[in-house]
Amino acid sequence: GENVEQHPSTLSVQEGDSAVIKCTYSDSASNYFPWYKQELGKRPQLIIDIRSNVGEKKDQRIAVTLNKTAKHFSLHITETQPEDSAVYFCAANGNTGNQFYFGTGTSLTVIP
Amino acid sequence: GAVVSQHPSRVICKSGTSVKIECRSLDFQATTMFWYRQFPKQSLMLMATSNEGSKATYEQGVEKDKFLINHASLTLSTLTVTSAHPEDSSFYICSAFSGGDKNIQYFGAGTRLSVL
Repeated sequence: GENVEQHPSTLSVQEGDSAVIKCTYSDSASNYFPWYKQELGKRPQLIIDIRSNVGEKKDQRIAVTLNKTAKHFSLHITETQPEDSAVYFCAANGNTGNQFYFGTGTSLTVIP
Repeated sequence: GAVVSQHPSRVICKSGTSVKIECRSLDFQATTMFWYRQFPKQSLMLMATSNEGSKATYEQGVEKDKFLINHASLTLSTLTVTSAHPEDSSFYICSAFSGGDKNIQYFGAGTRLSVL
């Protein structure tokens, strides 16, 4: 099955700085890579996703890049704000196409 | 986005009792739903895939007789934790594929289970 690794596990940045979270995956059949934001005790919320036919996608302060050859994808948050503080999970859909395999999560803290 | 409702949000029960958790897609039909378990400060671990009208597919290491899943309709899947024990205490979250885009999963709000 798919194996998704995520780094770093914790990340602290000053407000206004950028944050980068990186994930790698093992199954070359994966073609969909979502990123979820989860606040404490709440449901994961989809913040951005990318499909394997593109290399980059941007939505305001959030961007995701994908390198299919190297099997890694990254989340970039610019101009971070305190409300960006949360746990972020990457995921890949593996060869079944339906199931999601999640990374171990990154706890992001934005310091005011 | 699509709405997934999960109930109850919190349950406390005695050891040995069974607990049922419901997951509903409110504004779309979901032929496939997923059940995850999440320990504190850890990732979401897929427990099983719930398919409407057929048996659930369990991930390796998940006891199907312990975690009973029933997907009786296109909008409802239930997870029953049978004979719960303290080690079953966890945060359980369901998700469902939206009707518009097969690959997008929308999550329920989760159920915090505490077994005394």
